[in-house]
Amino acid sequence: EIVLTQSPGTLSLSPGERATLSCRASQTVSRTDLAWYQQKPGQAPSLLIYGASNRAAGIPDRFSGSGSGTDFTLTISRLEPEDLAVYYCQQYVDSPPLTFGGGTKVEIK
Amino acid sequence: EVQVVESGGDLVKPGGSLRLSCAASGFPFKAAWMTWVRQAPGKGLEWVGLIKDESNGGTTDYAAPVKGRFSISRDDSKNTVYLQMNSLRTEDTAVYYCAWLYYHYMDVWGKGTTVTVSS
Repeated sequence: EIVLTQSPGTLSLSPGERATLSCRASQTVSRTDLAWYQQKPGQAPSLLIYGASNRAAGIPDRFSGSGSGTDFTLTISRLEPEDLAVYYCQQYVDSPPLTFGGGTKVEIK
Repeated sequence: EVQVVESGGDLVKPGGSLRLSCAASGFPFKAAWMTWVRQAPGKGLEWVGLIKDESNGGTTDYAAPVKGRFSISRDDSKNTVYLQMNSLRTEDTAVYYCAWLYYHYMDVWGKGTTVTVSS
């Protein structure tokens, strides 16, 4: 089973600052198999990034994804108050299971 | 509108059973792989299982904690996927989300349905 470790657990930044979220895999993950989700308080998760670096429909360009192999990054270039959320990475390989990282909570100061 | 809507969540006693439903619309359901994800109170996301489309055998895969107790099925005539949960435990208490598994990511999520397992 591929384990995804996200860091930091919590990120507290001011509006306009840059947020860098890390997702590290225990084994190599293909870029096509890595996605990021945003879960705002009290809401269901929603797709943010797929294929490691492709923004989902309607996602503003301040969100970007990068990385390969075992190290992936989600960057929010200029934090907005509405970016308050927990962010999860997820991987899929042909064999089960599909796994999520533990999440990074982004707080806005 | 592309959406999935879960239903069937309830309060159930340990050892009991429950069936959740997920009604899909707005996308080609017959060709869709569908998945269930759960979230225990205050915790992160946990994948539960998936069902492939009929052209891929309609096969299912499950996470270890639910294997042998949960089963996923689909009715393509109703655009609905089901999660049958048996031998429920207190640790199965969670919000259960249904999602369209498009390629290798979850493109469309429902709002979730709450399952509470308690005596």
